[in-house]
Amino acid sequence: EVQLVESGGGLVQPGGSLRLSCAASGFTFSTYWMHWVRLVPGKGLMWVSHINSEGSSTSYADSVKGRFTISRDNAKNTLYLQMSSLRAEDTAVYYCVRDEPGDGMDVWGQGTTVTVSS
Amino acid sequence: DVVLTQSPLSLPVTLGQPASISCRSSQSLGSSDGNTYLNWFQQRPGQSPRRLFYKVSKRDSGVPDRFSGSGSGTDFTLKISRVEAEDVGIYYCMQGRHWPPWTFGQGTTVEIK
Repeated sequence: EVQLVESGGGLVQPGGSLRLSCAASGFTFSTYWMHWVRLVPGKGLMWVSHINSEGSSTSYADSVKGRFTISRDNAKNTLYLQMSSLRAEDTAVYYCVRDEPGDGMDVWGQGTTVTVSS
Repeated sequence: DVVLTQSPLSLPVTLGQPASISCRSSQSLGSSDGNTYLNWFQQRPGQSPRRLFYKVSKRDSGVPDRFSGSGSGTDFTLKISRVEAEDVGIYYCMQGRHWPPWTFGQGTTVEIK
């Protein structure tokens, strides 16, 4: 069974840092692009970042560029999102999402909640 | 960036009746490879989003055939032929043609009257 399990969310003060992880199983992780997408209740879904299968190419939403870093360890089947200089507006549920070659985002994890507040 | 505009944003429906959600794109989502990169996702209360359709009308495994996706270019529609209680949730369209960024519509909340 294809599965994505996020972890690492929590409460952090403005200006703080947090690292999210996403453990993948049930598929050949190293052959898929991956994304982070966040959900703010009442505001909808927003794409945050993507990484290609080798980890050699990444992209970011303008609102997180320079503060967030996406990475992956294909030997450990794990995706990461390092978040720094966190702001209240980064408060959201963060989802790890698989990107099926040619067909786009398909499988979503259960999400991990990040709350930025003093 | 491509802007996706969904309507309506709230859709109260009677059980057994049809429902329709529109998604309009600020740019054409058709590609020179012949594909159109527009997906639909469903998010039920308390659950993660689930993909229903990719490339406009290709149904994902397990999606009931009362759901259908259609459209081309900049105009797309998700239809439910007969709404059931389990269809309650928020529906999002998403484009994967002009990236980055990948962009989503604002979401349409389907509820039972």
